[in-house]
Amino acid sequence: DTGVSQNPRHKITKRGQNVTFRCDPISEHNRLYWYRQTLGQGPEFLTYFQNEAQLEKSRLLSDRFSAERPKGSFSTLEIQRTEQGDSAMYLCASSPRRGQKTTDTQYFGPGTRLTVL
Amino acid sequence: AQSVTQLDSQVPVFEEAPVELRCNYSSSVSVYLFWYVQYPNQGLQLLLKYLSGSTLVESINGFEAEFNKSQTSFHLRKPSVHISDTAEYFCAVLNSGGYQKVTFGTGTKLQVIP
Repeated sequence: DTGVSQNPRHKITKRGQNVTFRCDPISEHNRLYWYRQTLGQGPEFLTYFQNEAQLEKSRLLSDRFSAERPKGSFSTLEIQRTEQGDSAMYLCASSPRRGQKTTDTQYFGPGTRLTVL
Repeated sequence: AQSVTQLDSQVPVFEEAPVELRCNYSSSVSVYLFWYVQYPNQGLQLLLKYLSGSTLVESINGFEAEFNKSQTSFHLRKPSVHISDTAEYFCAVLNSGGYQKVTFGTGTKLQVIP
């Protein structure tokens, strides 16, 4: 078990560019979450996948944001036409399926820090 | 809807002194409670959690938290802090019955002073 991994760890981009982040959850976890954390704040929920199905999206996830988990394993989060307000740490987490031990615990990756110039 | 309040944004404390980080929550349904720790430039690490059973839960590095349903609190305590405990601590709640959206507080920065 190598934990949740995220790539890249840091991304600097110019306003208006598109960026894509990747999250690899813990291998046996079927649930995956994306959060955004801005300076001085706690993480805020963005979206949730169970297997490949995206079951919930926050109002924070504008139409410039899209997340996918095509095969129920890794996930990508894309931001189109980035704005300076998108600068934040993007965190991914995963948890086991219901019925398994620690099903209600989310395990977080190290995050991707996005800076939009 | 659920919410978490961490009233103290920063808590300075001398090394080997006790500390309490406060957390209050609001929810219309039963919840699970968590404390996560975040070291600089790192992701969140689970420190301890309350799901059911004993209201006092402990971590492996000496922290403990007590679930108080009547006061809707889940304060984090440690009797003697170390320099290595310097980090930001987040209290979080999870709806025990619904899907898995976790709601976090705004965090408390613990600064241990040598």
